[in-house]
Amino acid sequence: DADVTQTPRNRITKTGKRIMLECSQTKGHDRMYWYRQDPGLGLRLIYYSFDVKDINKGEISDGYSVSRQAQAKFSLSLESAIPNQTALYFCATSGYGGRDSDTQYFGPGTRLTVL
Amino acid sequence: SQQGEEDPQALSIQEGENATMNCSYKTSINNLQWYRQNSGRGLVHLILIRSNEREKHSGRLRVTLDTSKKSSSLLITASRAADTASYFCATDAETGANNLFFGTGTRLTVIP
Repeated sequence: DADVTQTPRNRITKTGKRIMLECSQTKGHDRMYWYRQDPGLGLRLIYYSFDVKDINKGEISDGYSVSRQAQAKFSLSLESAIPNQTALYFCATSGYGGRDSDTQYFGPGTRLTVL
Repeated sequence: SQQGEEDPQALSIQEGENATMNCSYKTSINNLQWYRQNSGRGLVHLILIRSNEREKHSGRLRVTLDTSKKSSSLLITASRAADTASYFCATDAETGANNLFFGTGTRLTVIP
């Protein structure tokens, strides 16, 4: 089974709808991240969380919100989706301390299309 | 703004040849990482090099880091068709927050 899972894998929605993307991990990591990927722009950080009580904005947080429901779960919400939020969204995790604490482990991605 | 920039944007080689990709970044870093992404899928960590290291090897991968030039290179030797993917460098920008800044990627195509 995958260590980092994302649901849904694909979603098509309409402008103005509220959308939630979910991420779960079994790696036991404290740190979780949400990125979006647009063609030609690489990955950009939306939000990150270092533990259940910690939420931080990333480079492009406007229009998004997150919830860290548990150590293993980190959800991303689009309160009112707009077409320029059409992108590939990735969740990632990393540990703290230890040999590979700087390495991030990515989920398979959610392809979101906003019409 | 993004921290890293990869060069070239796209690279096409024959199987068995070596592939070299370069990454330049803007600010001081603690480490630099390379990730691979198969089309439309999640990124997979390949290798990490710390700011006090100059070269690192892992299997067919060789990474160099020149902090004075703020640049890194990834060499894949004896390429295989399965190496076809996009390759991204990522830096941590010395914030201590473990946030990564990704470059725009190099799309590598290995022709069988």
